[in-house]
Amino acid sequence: ETGVTQTPRHLVMGMTNKKSLKCEQHLGHNAMYWYKQSAKKPLELMFVYSLEERVENNSVPSRFSPECPNSSHLFLHLHTLQPEDSALYLCASSQVGTRGGYNEQFFGPGTRLTVL
Amino acid sequence: DAKTTQPNSMESNEEEPVHLPCNHSTISGTDYIHWYRQLPSQGPEYVIHGLTSNVNNRMASLAIAEDRKSSTLILHRATLRDAAVYYCIHDSRDSNYQLIWGAGTKLIIKP
Repeated sequence: ETGVTQTPRHLVMGMTNKKSLKCEQHLGHNAMYWYKQSAKKPLELMFVYSLEERVENNSVPSRFSPECPNSSHLFLHLHTLQPEDSALYLCASSQVGTRGGYNEQFFGPGTRLTVL
Repeated sequence: DAKTTQPNSMESNEEEPVHLPCNHSTISGTDYIHWYRQLPSQGPEYVIHGLTSNVNNRMASLAIAEDRKSSTLILHRATLRDAAVYYCIHDSRDSNYQLIWGAGTKLIIKP
């Protein structure tokens, strides 16, 4: 138990569906992250919310849309996904200092997404 | 571009030390190196991180080369529970939020 929870743990969706992934952290951290983990590929940092500022990887397609309503909750909204988007989506949180950079990140168990 | 290179897999005997190498030849002066590990069916778990000098914690030691282009994660006495994929990560602070994960080394521990 890392203090970061993700729901659902498994999700199967069609290419025309709209769904959302949810992440919640109980650690009092001020930064949250979405990662994509595909088979046989390095983890890819998709989005970061840090000190209420959003930063994103410019290569992430617009069919992925993050939302961070407060420092404890993070969502990833999915629409018109492609089969190649099937992957494990991991959420993480950390405490970021004023000098920036990455401190220890705590990961959730992930959502296994399958796009048919 | 920031990049890390690791061997695909390594084997070690239980209760022996393990040295996991990582090359990060594009590292610059303010960039950190982080290590995480991922057990089957779990999210990654922090192991250690460092900048220039060697670092120790309860899980492992991190030895960083003098030119900082490579580093080695050292598990002093491997147990079966250390079997995991170990990731070396380049924290590039020249660019906003550049956190480049390597492909990882699968560590196999033989009893």
